[in-house]
Amino acid sequence: QVQLVQSGSELKKPGASVKVSCKASGYSFTTYAMNWVRQAPGQGLEWMGWINTNTGNPTYAQGFTGRFVFSLDTSVSTAYLQISSLKAEDTAVYYCARVPYSGGWYFDYWGQGTLVTVSS
Amino acid sequence: EIVLTQSPGTLSLSPGERATLSCRASQSVSSSYLAWYQQKPGQAPRLLIYGASSRATGIPDRFSGSGSGTDFTLTISRLEPEDFAVYCCQQYGSSPYTFGQGTKLEIK
Repeated sequence: QVQLVQSGSELKKPGASVKVSCKASGYSFTTYAMNWVRQAPGQGLEWMGWINTNTGNPTYAQGFTGRFVFSLDTSVSTAYLQISSLKAEDTAVYYCARVPYSGGWYFDYWGQGTLVTVSS
Repeated sequence: EIVLTQSPGTLSLSPGERATLSCRASQSVSSSYLAWYQQKPGQAPRLLIYGASSRATGIPDRFSGSGSGTDFTLTISRLEPEDFAVYCCQQYGSSPYTFGQGTKLEIK
């Protein structure tokens, strides 16, 4: 069965960096794009962008450029989200979610989410 | 950027009743590229509907979606206890792909 399993919660100080992983199983990794979605406490969902699992080319939504980096390790079917120079407002649950290349850009499977807390 | 506005913010109903949730877009959503998700506390969203009216795999037929252009509706025909959750819509007709703020469906 399809699974996206994310790394565990993180507590970081302002200015630090964090790297969240998302390991895929149960399907061919390169047949789906991997997206990242943020949900701040008590807020709605916000699409951060996606990475092409064939080429490794990332696309960032407005507001997620500069400090946010998407990457892959296709040998272990894993996508990564790295956030640098963390700020308190980066505190959120971060989800990975896949999208089929052949079809619309809706998210059919999601990781369980990773809570990143930024606090001094 | 397409802004999605969901109403009502909270809907209080009893099991067995019918729920009607609205999602209105600030501009027309091309090709009815509109999805609905269910989210329970502490869980990831779950895809219910895509293409405005197509049910995702494994979704019960009490869930149905309709609409086009700027007005979309999610209907739950007879509420089951497990249906009480937050529902949000998402448009994927144009990037950036945006979500509504959600409707909380609570037990009356």
